[in-house]
Amino acid sequence: SYELAQPPSVSVSPGQTATVACSGENLGNKFVCWYQHKIGQSPLLVIYQDNERPSGIPERFSGSNSGNTAILTISGAQAMDEADYYCQAWDRASASVVFGGGTKLTVL
Amino acid sequence: QLHLQESGPRLLKPSETLSLTCSVSGDSFSEEIYYWGWIRQPPGKGLEWIGHIYYTGNSYYNPSLKSRVTMSVDTSKKQFSLSLSSVTAADTAVYYCARQGGGFLEGYGMDVWGQGTTITVSS
Repeated sequence: SYELAQPPSVSVSPGQTATVACSGENLGNKFVCWYQHKIGQSPLLVIYQDNERPSGIPERFSGSNSGNTAILTISGAQAMDEADYYCQAWDRASASVVFGGGTKLTVL
Repeated sequence: QLHLQESGPRLLKPSETLSLTCSVSGDSFSEEIYYWGWIRQPPGKGLEWIGHIYYTGNSYYNPSLKSRVTMSVDTSKKQFSLSLSSVTAADTAVYYCARQGGGFLEGYGMDVWGQGTTITVSS
């Protein structure tokens, strides 16, 4: 089955740029979505189709996807961005939604 | 404004069947571009996809859960449901319903989520 790998944690200082990686075999041939998940809340879609932002998502969130790695970039990270971030893709072979294991972003 | 709300029993015993319903308020339920799905998060773990269903009843399930999962849809009530049989403690999780905002291959994500409901399996 298809797998997506993420680092368990990433730390960034306020105002700096945070990057969260997601890796999978030939991931660049698939579309990747990213979700922000804060404790006690429902997940929030922050990026779809690799690099598109839904309405209401700040411009500091951006995405890229090439080769075997997709990247979520948060430019000028803020304390409110502390959350778990999950990448997600569709595996055509198994007709399945696949989530990465999640990355805990700490802003300090 | 689209709103999703999960409902169903929250405490189950091992071997019982989990049954959840997601009620959809808004006008998009039978629109052809959307799928409706279930995702869960066990305590201390990440998100796990359970499955999605189309308003026609066409469905996709997580291969690891497929033998125990059944999803159904009631367009007249704007509801879709999840049935998970033979539950164990490993099925204890927060269960979310969500709307898939377009085609899976086309990279549309799950853009509207319910608030989630905590399901506990314990003897």
